[in-house]
Amino acid sequence: AQTVTQSQPEMSVQEAETVTLSCTYDTSESNYYLFWYKQPPSRQMILVIRQEAYKQQNATENRFSVNFQKAAKSFSLKISDSQLGDTAMYFCAFKNNDMRFGAGTRLTVKP
Amino acid sequence: DVKVTQSSRYLVKRTGEKVFLECVQDMDHENMFWYRQDPGLGLRLIYFSYDVKMKEKGDIPEGYSVSREKKERFSLILESASTNQTSMYLCASSFGGSLETQYFGPGTRLLVL
Repeated sequence: AQTVTQSQPEMSVQEAETVTLSCTYDTSESNYYLFWYKQPPSRQMILVIRQEAYKQQNATENRFSVNFQKAAKSFSLKISDSQLGDTAMYFCAFKNNDMRFGAGTRLTVKP
Repeated sequence: DVKVTQSSRYLVKRTGEKVFLECVQDMDHENMFWYRQDPGLGLRLIYFSYDVKMKEKGDIPEGYSVSREKKERFSLILESASTNQTSMYLCASSFGGSLETQYFGPGTRLLVL
């Protein structure tokens, strides 16, 4: 069974700085998709970024980028120029047939 | 924009009550999902549906059932609520296909006393 591990339950970063959230996963499949979702306090979960495993190029969405290391089964999220609105729970997710979520990392951006 | 709504943001029920959680999406998505979210455990899939009147068990279906009579509506039913079902319940929907971005509702925080 696929598992997703987020080893950092909580992190904090100063506004305008850069932070990296870690995610590793375990699978024997070669084709799959990876996602980062953001859940702001008392608000809906939204997609931040996604990556297809067959693509070598790392996905980027404005201030958010990933470091996808397929051999290492690692999928970290980098947030550049952190903003107060980035404060949220971040979930890493893996999808082959089913979607599997990690336990989440609570990120606090400090002014 | 995709909109997924859930019938209640907060719900308090007593042990043994039958509980209905409703989810509606407005984007004609084929797939709908029910998760529960607990601290330290992330999201765990309860049930999902790929079409009207179809349902599939997820990882933790025990104590739950679902109903999908219309494409836009997916209901989660707790037949006899128990205290260990106190949790945040999230509904999601997506189009069919491999790269399924799931769109989530705001969640229902259920407390069973």
